Amino acid sequence: IAGITQAPTSQILAAGRRMTLRCTQDMRHNAMYWYRQDLGLGLRLIHYSNTAGTTGKGEVPDGYSVSRANTDDFPLTLASAVPSQTSVYFCASSPRADNQPQHFGDGTRLSIL
Amino acid sequence: GQSLEQPSEVTAVEGAIVQINCTYQTSGFYGLSWYQQHDGGAPTFLSYNALDGLEETGRFSSFLSRSDSYGYLLLQELQMKDSASYFCALGGNTGKLIFGQGTTLQVKP
Repeated sequence: IAGITQAPTSQILAAGRRMTLRCTQDMRHNAMYWYRQDLGLGLRLIHYSNTAGTTGKGEVPDGYSVSRANTDDFPLTLASAVPSQTSVYFCASSPRADNQPQHFGDGTRLSIL
Repeated sequence: GQSLEQPSEVTAVEGAIVQINCTYQTSGFYGLSWYQQHDGGAPTFLSYNALDGLEETGRFSSFLSRSDSYGYLLLQELQMKDSASYFCALGGNTGKLIFGQGTTLQVKP
């Protein structure tokens, strides 16, 4: 079934550890995005990529990095996790950067202790 | 910058019609989108307005007025399964979406 796969589904992590959240899509979409969702704050864009080989910063990029080596994969890395990064993380994709709609993965629930 | 405002909660009864409003501030944008999210689930796309006016998709309609910096989502013939959070979002030419904080809709029997 075509779509977006995120892994892991959930994770508990000690502060200071490095963590990579994985995101893979098989729809050959050019654009991909990472959001975090916190209670009362809606979805906030962390980083995005309009096409393979390019990335850009969203609203809340500090403490996160991304790479886009190919069309299908868009991993999000927390170099040194802090408790304020406890959140639900959603990966999304769209056919083009200016093309609606965005398709979302099921999310990763991350707790930093 | 850009910002959007939505009511935090709306309650309606099964079979009724409900309107969820979204007001925004922005210097420019391509369109206004609406997404639905059930508890713990992934957001799913509902509707998109690039132009002023009404877009209809089954029981859901969305409206945009650029001159009033205002849009709304209209849900007709409400069903229990429509209980969810609804987000409006502003989109630009880069594909970046700025989301509102969401409206929790509770449908009662």
